[in-house]
Amino acid sequence: KNEVEQSPQNLTAQEGEFITINCSYSVGISALHWLQQHPGGGIVSLFMLSSGKKKHGRLIATINIQEKHSSLHITASHPRDSAVYICAVSQGGSEKLVFGKGMKLTVNP
Amino acid sequence: NAGVTQTPKFQVLKTGQSMTLQCAQDMNHEYMSWYRQDPGMGLRLIHYSVGAGITDQGEVPNGYNVSRSTTEDFPLRLLSAAPSQTSVYFCASSMRTSSYEQYFGPGTRLTVT
Repeated sequence: KNEVEQSPQNLTAQEGEFITINCSYSVGISALHWLQQHPGGGIVSLFMLSSGKKKHGRLIATINIQEKHSSLHITASHPRDSAVYICAVSQGGSEKLVFGKGMKLTVNP
Repeated sequence: NAGVTQTPKFQVLKTGQSMTLQCAQDMNHEYMSWYRQDPGMGLRLIHYSVGAGITDQGEVPNGYNVSRSTTEDFPLRLLSAAPSQTSVYFCASSMRTSSYEQYFGPGTRLTVT
């Protein structure tokens, strides 16, 4: 069993929809990272959180430490949100990350 | 700041050839790492460094060498390329004082024939 699981693996949505991407992990962590990778492109850090909730524009990330679960929400989705969203965790203040396999999001106009 | 830079962007090698993937960062980050990304799999750590002169193995180190002679540079060497090393390689950097927020390079797409 992977230490970091993401669901769903693929998601297709219509422009304007509210989207939720889930991440579950099985180890104790010091921080959880959400990353975005556009097709053929590099990887960008969206959020890093160890508790509660963070918001940036139309993106909201939440984490529940007790349940070992995090969600990334996208409000008013747009075709430019089409990308692979990757969840990763770091443990005990370590610099090493463990990654999920990513979730491919396609937002159709 | 240029951030994290990687060269080359694309490379084709024949089995048995050697080459070095270059990675540099200008943010004075102490931590640098190399990952490979393969279809259907998450990013996997090859080697990492917590500072100049210090390197360690990650999850999939076989067939790769690294060195860290300066804070800025962290090259990845393929000693004798194999088709199994066909992948996209990403270099990343971070620093402890920003809780290891990751900054990634643009990636190198390597094909070994």
